[in-house]
Amino acid sequence: GAVVSQHPSRVICKSGTSVKIECRSLDFQATTMFWYRQFPKQSLMLMATSNEGSKATYEQGVEKDKFLINHASLTLSTLTVTSAHPEDSSFYICSAEVGGNYGYTFGSGTRLTVV
Amino acid sequence: EDQVTQSPEALRLQEGESSSLNCSYTVSGLRGLFWYRQDPGKGPEFLFTLYSAGEEKEKERLKATLTKKESFLHITAPKPEDSATYLCAVVSGGYNKLIFGAGTRLAVHP
Repeated sequence: GAVVSQHPSRVICKSGTSVKIECRSLDFQATTMFWYRQFPKQSLMLMATSNEGSKATYEQGVEKDKFLINHASLTLSTLTVTSAHPEDSSFYICSAEVGGNYGYTFGSGTRLTVV
Repeated sequence: EDQVTQSPEALRLQEGESSSLNCSYTVSGLRGLFWYRQDPGKGPEFLFTLYSAGEEKEKERLKATLTKKESFLHITAPKPEDSATYLCAVVSGGYNKLIFGAGTRLAVHP
């Protein structure tokens, strides 16, 4: 139980275009979801926290106009990287708060490459 | 400021050679400490949650322990398939977000 499905797993886009990443909770309702960014051989950096039906809370230094987060339902949160540039290339991972002993469950990640 | 420090940064073991990974934390009111395993190109996979000092949890060759300042992940007789990055994270105070350490990259050789 408590599975989070993230798509796509890999995406290559041209500089200046936008890319949308989806994160779905398959067998539970996720009131709160989190979006992380991970650079090679580094740990996860929290970008923002999204709550269903309200605006996302962004961490310091994260551009909210570049990384648009929408959490319109209890099972779906999306991250849109707008006007992507090569420096936005990274591994993006979503997570949902499950509660209890499992705490938080993670998606499988999206490798974004901007060329 | 809440902080999580993991050591060592990387660890190389021979198959069957037991060892421990360390996670030191400084938080204002620990609500939970989590251990995850992450394989290359994948999202973190849940291993354990610990809530209070003295608590221990086991799963196959892994055992996690918690004190007021640190947590250990003990690996007994590791196998090559245990090779991965092990991440420690905490949730503190009135927040519900995970604060991650930098991770320990474990390589187990046959």
